[in-house]
Order: sequence, then structure tokens, then C-alpha cells
Amino acid sequence: KAGVTQTPRYLIKTRGQQVTLSCSPISGHRSVSWYQQTPGQGLQFLFEYFSETQRNKGNFPGRFSGRQFSNSRSEMNVSTLELGDSALYLCASTQGSQGETQYFGPGTRLLVL
Amino acid sequence: AQSVTQLGSHVSVSEGALVLLRCNYSSSVPPYLFWYVQYPNQGLQLLLKYTSAATLVKGINGFEAEFKKSETSFHLTKPSAHMSDAAEYFCAVTGYSGGGADGLTFGKGTHLIIQP
Repeated sequence: KAGVTQTPRYLIKTRGQQVTLSCSPISGHRSVSWYQQTPGQGLQFLFEYFSETQRNKGNFPGRFSGRQFSNSRSEMNVSTLELGDSALYLCASTQGSQGETQYFGPGTRLLVL
Repeated sequence: AQSVTQLGSHVSVSEGALVLLRCNYSSSVPPYLFWYVQYPNQGLQLLLKYTSAATLVKGINGFEAEFKKSETSFHLTKPSAHMSDAAEYFCAVTGYSGGGADGLTFGKGTHLIIQP
């Protein structure tokens, strides 16, 4: 099976812009989770989508949003970008049950100037 | 609420020596515990996972971890380090909140350095 794919791999934006990142889960996986990784804060959970519904959410401002499509692909959007949003954004997929292993994609590295 | 503490942001061992990376967790519900490895410019790769079936868990690349409830620990070990083990290692915990695939709570990571 193909793994989790994320596009684009690298992105440069300026403050105030918005950005959309995409994640395609492993075939058959219905849950997609998003994480932000920064040197200062480490890995932090953003949100999780299952069957097109947000099921869990981390402690991030409303500028961070996401959605999931009927084919389980997910997008994450960040509006009004700030310098501190520069990070590696990782998505992970599972079939959606309790305690399952999350399989991670390679990430999208976002640089905000 | 859950939390993970990884002792030592950097650990240096000689090639062929024992690797020990420490992880302590806090969880209000029975936890699922994971160790992931991250190589430069890559995502996270699962090393091993504890799900209450056995306290000693064997993973890939010769790594294993032991769950000790009394010590709330899940330390990662490998008997003999290899140069290819140099990477960032993350311990993570998740629990059941009624919502299915809960978000993972990660430790800050331990950078493993292998000296020739």
C-alpha cells in the first residue's frame, strides 16, 4: 500500500497570507490527524477528522482549520499567517479506532516571511 | 489529561554500546504508548507500540521497550547501537476520551548521537 502523502512538501508564504496543505491517507484509512512541529514547542496535535467530521481538536486558534472529503483526503488551512506559524506540518492516518497506530506522512515545511 | 517527559534532550553512545532512552508518562486513563523515530527532513516512523497485551514490547531495528505501570515509564532500549540509529526519538501517549483516534501527546524528543 502507498503511504501517507502530503503536498506540497515545501512552501514559502508572507505574513497575512493564507495557506492550504493537503494530505492523502493510506488507502482504507478514514481518520486523518494533523500535527505542528516546531523547535520551540515540539510536536503538537491540531485536529483529527473522521468520516468528514472533526472529532478531536487541540489547543490552536481558530486561524487553523481543516476539512475532510468523502475519499478521506484532508486539507488544512491557516489564515492570516504569522511568523510563528513557520513549522513542519505532519499528517497521520489510521482506520479510526481507539489506540491505533498513526502512520505519518513526510510533512509540509512552511516558512512564513 | 496526558503528558510525556523524555529525560535528556541529547544522548550520546558509542557504536556497539547499549542505547537507553527514557520516557515517563502521565495519563488519567489506561494509556497507549508509542515510540517514533524521525530522521532529518522526514516524517515519523513507528518503532513500537504498547497496548496492554504485553509489558515488554519488541519493535523494529532491534529496539524494545518495557512498560512499568508502577514507575509510569516506557523506556526504549537497544543492546548494541549502530551508526544508522542516529536520529530524533519521540515517546508519545494517547488515551481514550470517547472520540476514537485521539491526538498523540508527544515528549520533547531525544536526539541520539552515535560515536564511532
